[in-house]
Parts: sequence; structure tokens; C-alpha cells
Amino acid sequence: GAVVSQHPSRVICKSGTSVKIECRSLDFQATTMFWYRQFPKQSLMLMATSNEGSKATYEQGVEKDKFLINHASLTLSTLTVTSAHPEDSSFYICSARDVGRIQETQYFGPGTRLLVL
Amino acid sequence: AQSVTQLGSHVSVSEGALVLLRCNYSSSVPPYLFWYVQYPNQGLQLLLKYTSAATLVKGINGFEAEFKKSETSFHLTKPSAHMSDAAEYFCAVSYSGGGADGLTFGKGTHLIIQP
Repeated sequence: GAVVSQHPSRVICKSGTSVKIECRSLDFQATTMFWYRQFPKQSLMLMATSNEGSKATYEQGVEKDKFLINHASLTLSTLTVTSAHPEDSSFYICSARDVGRIQETQYFGPGTRLLVL
Repeated sequence: AQSVTQLGSHVSVSEGALVLLRCNYSSSVPPYLFWYVQYPNQGLQLLLKYTSAATLVKGINGFEAEFKKSETSFHLTKPSAHMSDAAEYFCAVSYSGGGADGLTFGKGTHLIIQP
């Protein structure tokens, strides 16, 4: 089956530092990947849509300069949280769209838990 | 614009009993609807999805959901609950069936299974 991985699974950083989260599609090519964030006991909120080789599309209210997204290859998208602050602490989940299947489907990664001290 | 409302943040049923998780949607275009399950500290796993092919959709682990346009609902059911079904369940809506667009999620329903 289609597998999406995220690295790291957990990260703790100091306030003001930057953190990079990787999202990889392991056995399929993903022209489109999505980044979500989930606060404790809340739903997932779409942050941005990442398209391979082009600029990401951000949802309203998401700061593009704070959440840098790069989708340099068909199997890798990265989310960099720049100058992280405690309010950025959250569970970040990516998903990847498998266009190679007859029924296109989004597959979700296991998530990255970010704690900013 | 589209939105999803899940009634009941927590649902508790006895093992072996019927599971019913409610989901109502709002969409300006014919929707594609999904149910996902999330186990603690894990990502989301697709249970089933509605893409207009059939109103009754069967998914994994014995779950099914019925699309009712007149009620704008897509409730998730399972005839007999199992302890392993305890998890967080999310209903989601999208403009596209294959994930060309990001998903809009409901707030989730925490399913508790009583022994």
C-alpha cells in the first residue's frame, strides 16, 4: 500500500529557532502534498497545498513567511517553521496525493509533534 | 465554501453494540465525503469515502456510511463494536474525490468502547 513517512516524529526546540519537517511518499510519486496542523483534541486544519516544482498555496490566515514549504521532488515536501514560538507547538501532519492509482487518494503521514519551549 | 459538523465530541458504546457516528456537511457543489480514523499519536487512516458512485459505502474494519443528500448527512455505522475500534474519528469533505484539494475536517468524535 501507499506509505507516507514524516521525519522527525517528535521535535523539541527553543523559541526563536527554526525546525524542518520532512514528508516523503515512499512508494509512489506525489505531485501534490498537503500540510495540516492539529491542536490538542481538535481537528486538522489545512495549512497549505504543496505542488512539486511550484510555489505552495497557503490557506487564509497562514503566514507563508513563517511556514516555508518546499516541494523539490515528486517524493519529498518539507515544512520549515521559522523562528518558532510556543504557540507553534502542534501536531503537523502531511498527506500526499497518489495520482498513479485509478482512484486518486490522499495518504496521510504519521505526523510530527512539535514542542517549542 | 464547505464545512463539516460532527455531532457529539464523545460517543460511548458497549462492546458488541451498534456504533453510530454522525456527520452533516455543507457544500456549494456536490461533495466528496470521507471518514478517517486516528489512533493515539498516529496519522489518519482512511475508513471509506463517498464519490457519488453509490450512496451506501462500505469501508474497512466493518464500517459503512450512507450518503443522504436530502439530510446532508454521511453517518458512519458499524453493527457490532469491538474494543479495537476505540479511537478518534473524523469526517471530512472535499471538492474532489481523489484529493486534488485539501480536506475540510470536522472536529472529530472520540469513540469509547465499554467492555
